[in-house]
Amino acid sequence: LAKTTQPISMDSYEGQEVNITCSHNNIATNDYITWYQQFPSQGPRFIIQGYKTKVTNEVASLFIPADRKSSTLSLPRVSLSDTAVYYCLVGFNSGNTPLVFGKGTRLSVIA
Amino acid sequence: GAVVSQHPSWVICKSGTSVKIECRSLDFQATTMFWYRQFPKQSLMLMATSNEGSKATYEQGVEKDKFLINHASLTLSTLTVTSAHPEDSSFYICSARAEERAGGGYTFGSGTRLTVV
Repeated sequence: LAKTTQPISMDSYEGQEVNITCSHNNIATNDYITWYQQFPSQGPRFIIQGYKTKVTNEVASLFIPADRKSSTLSLPRVSLSDTAVYYCLVGFNSGNTPLVFGKGTRLSVIA
Repeated sequence: GAVVSQHPSWVICKSGTSVKIECRSLDFQATTMFWYRQFPKQSLMLMATSNEGSKATYEQGVEKDKFLINHASLTLSTLTVTSAHPEDSSFYICSARAEERAGGGYTFGSGTRLTVV
């Protein structure tokens, strides 16, 4: 699996847009980029997945440049409830391969 | 959507006793489930891959005699922490793949907080 690098932590005020960038220089041609969110004492929750360009859903947007060596998770107008750890994962994950988590980014939203 | 149920959500046990954690896929069948452990302020660490009807595959450094995994049906995998010690106190999370989708399709349980006293 391609190794990922994310900031350890980020702080933001409520109502601001938060962008978390993940580096994955060794991404393979058939790898997808997936982001998960984890609240304290809960299991991770899928947020968004993409392969290239831009993906948007009701929760977030994912921006992937043409070289795919990085990606940016964008959370619009965060609230206190968005305080969580965000994990960037890269891989094809066919069959029954497990997800391998990196260290993630701890986002703290301040009132 | 696909749901993975984990039980119990928390448990306190005495040193030397065994604890069983259940992981169920509620609305789909899972031939494979995954078990993770997470210590405070750390990321999820894969412990083992549970295979229905066969032996689990353990990650390097995980004692298979201590962490017994049974996957007897397509909807249930259990993790038994045997002879628990305080250092086994952790947050245990299971996961299963609800759909075969490139790069995704994984669903996680809500986790089990184990405290060994």
